[in-house]
Amino acid sequence: SQKIEQNSEALNIQEGKTATLTCNYTNYSPAYLQWYRQDPGRGPVFLLLIRENEKEKRKERLKVTFDTTLKQSLFHITASQPADSATYLCALVGVDSSYKLIFGSGTRLLVRP
Amino acid sequence: DAGITQSPRYKITETGRQVTLMCHQTWSHSYMFWYRQDLGHGLRLIYYSAAADITDKGEVPDGYVVSRSKTENFPLTLESATRSQTSVYFCASSESGKPMYNIQYFGAGTRLSVL
Repeated sequence: SQKIEQNSEALNIQEGKTATLTCNYTNYSPAYLQWYRQDPGRGPVFLLLIRENEKEKRKERLKVTFDTTLKQSLFHITASQPADSATYLCALVGVDSSYKLIFGSGTRLLVRP
Repeated sequence: DAGITQSPRYKITETGRQVTLMCHQTWSHSYMFWYRQDLGHGLRLIYYSAAADITDKGEVPDGYVVSRSKTENFPLTLESATRSQTSVYFCASSESGKPMYNIQYFGAGTRLSVL
């Protein structure tokens, strides 16, 4: 069955460092991959979308890579700030079911001042 | 206010009772979704709708019923609540079903406890 894995352990880093979060998937060939941010008590908020033929996507301090050979996406936050502390979810979009997203369980990021 | 709103934000009910969670969006998005979020499982799709009067099952539909008589509303009903349905429920909407435009906008969630 399709499976998406994100590190369940929280990532704890110092302010100013680069945070790198991982999303691995199996038994799936997604056409697109999305990243969302979720704060406690709130719904997820869309951050970035990357297509399978794109290696890298950037938005301000955020960078996403998508390696279809490794079946992995990396999500980077450069110059991290305490305000970046949140849970980050990856979601896969299939070509045959484009209106449905399959979400990972998320990784919590803690940025220490 | 514009956006997607869910009500109630918190709900406590008893086993066997019927509960309806409301979802309303003001963007006229075609697609709407209901998810539940549990520790260790992430977001799991319960039901979705591509348009008014068009609904379909997601990954975990058992015990839930949806309707969509109007584009802007997508209520989720638990016909006979069970303790396993204790969860946080999120409603989302999307303008398009096309992959590159399928960005979903989420409500703030309803935290449901079934005693």
